[in-house]
Amino acid sequence: GDSVTQMEGPVTLSEEAFLTINCTYTATGYPSLFWYVQYPGEGLQLLLKATKADDKGSNKGFEATYRKETTSFHLEKGSVQVSDSAVYFCAFLTQGGSEKLVFGKGTKLTVNP
Amino acid sequence: DTEVTQTPKHLVMGMTNKKSLKCEQHMGHRAMYWYKQKAKKPPELMFVYSYEKLSINESVPSRFSPECPNSSLLNLHLHALQPEDSALYLCASSQDGRTGEQYFGPGTRLTVT
Repeated sequence: GDSVTQMEGPVTLSEEAFLTINCTYTATGYPSLFWYVQYPGEGLQLLLKATKADDKGSNKGFEATYRKETTSFHLEKGSVQVSDSAVYFCAFLTQGGSEKLVFGKGTKLTVNP
Repeated sequence: DTEVTQTPKHLVMGMTNKKSLKCEQHMGHRAMYWYKQKAKKPPELMFVYSYEKLSINESVPSRFSPECPNSSLLNLHLHALQPEDSALYLCASSQDGRTGEQYFGPGTRLTVT
């Protein structure tokens, strides 16, 4: 069935470190892919998206590339800041009929100064 | 205005109470959602309204009753809840439910005693 697998957290980094959060998905066809972020005490915010193979989504220094061959959508940032501390969710939109987001379990990132 | 508002922010209710959660958006979105989020978990979809009609009910117990009075408002009526229903309830909206780009409110933190 439809599912998203994210790397287990929590992830703790120092400021200016490189970030990678792995995400792979199992879905029918080639769905649109998303990264959502949830800051403490808030709802989720769309961080970036990609709608077809080889698309690169980017926002606020974060990037992710839609890899059809490996069904992956890994999140990267070259230099993290303390303000990036949050929970990151990888997700895809199911296709056909009832369209809904399927989320991964989330990865908590803590960035220390 | 890209904001989804939710009231109340916090709610404590007994198992015999009746209460309602409210959600509002003024982005002209035609799809609205209710999610339930337990601590350290991803959001779980409960209901979807598309063009003011209920389009998805994820087998939610009848003690949760959604209502969409108009295209800007979404309510969740609560009755005879159980302690395990304690969670963060998130409302979201999207243009038409087909893009996966959802705007989330900050949530209502519900505690059932």
